[in-house]
Amino acid sequence: GAVVSQHPSRVICKSGTSVKIECRSLDFQATTMFWYRQFPKQSLMLMATSNEGSKATYEQGVEKDKFLINHASLTLSTLTVTSAHPEDSSFYICSASFSSVHSNQPQHFGDGTRLSIL
Amino acid sequence: QKEVEQNSGPLSVPEGAIASLNCTYSDRGSQSFFWYRQYSGKSPELIMSIYSNGDKEDGRFTAQLNKASQYVSLLIRDSQPSDSATYLCASGTAGKLIFGQGTTLQVKP
Repeated sequence: GAVVSQHPSRVICKSGTSVKIECRSLDFQATTMFWYRQFPKQSLMLMATSNEGSKATYEQGVEKDKFLINHASLTLSTLTVTSAHPEDSSFYICSASFSSVHSNQPQHFGDGTRLSIL
Repeated sequence: QKEVEQNSGPLSVPEGAIASLNCTYSDRGSQSFFWYRQYSGKSPELIMSIYSNGDKEDGRFTAQLNKASQYVSLLIRDSQPSDSATYLCASGTAGKLIFGQGTTLQVKP
């Protein structure tokens, strides 16, 4: 099956630090990668959609200068949380898919990154 | 606003019983539907995908889709304690997924 690797699995750092999270599709070339965040006992909230070689599309209310997304290849996308503050503490999960706007294939999720800002 | 609705539960069933999880969606343009299982502290894991009306079976799992009623369900036969998790329903449109808030299932030995 499709395997998505996400690293690191947990980050604890001081307020003001920038944190970079990597998402890799290991055994397939992902047309599209997605970044979600999930607060305790809540569902997944889509933050942004990224396609290789183009700018990410951010959902309403998500600050693109705060959450920098780079999708340099068909197997790697990165999310950088810049100048993180305690309110950015959350569970960040990436997913990868063969989907395009014309098809709806399943998304395969990485293991997630638990970010704690002190 | 496009929405996916699920009863948050918890839904409690005895071991060996059938667990029935339900979901409704608002966007008639949705073309694909997925059930994910999420254990506490873990990321979602794909269980089933369904694209056309009717039933789709995979092992102990059966997904049902009724586009006229905008309704999706998941049946889990012979429920096991290891099935205890949160089950997320998602609808797909234009390459994006919209998730429900999930139903927590508790299977009691």
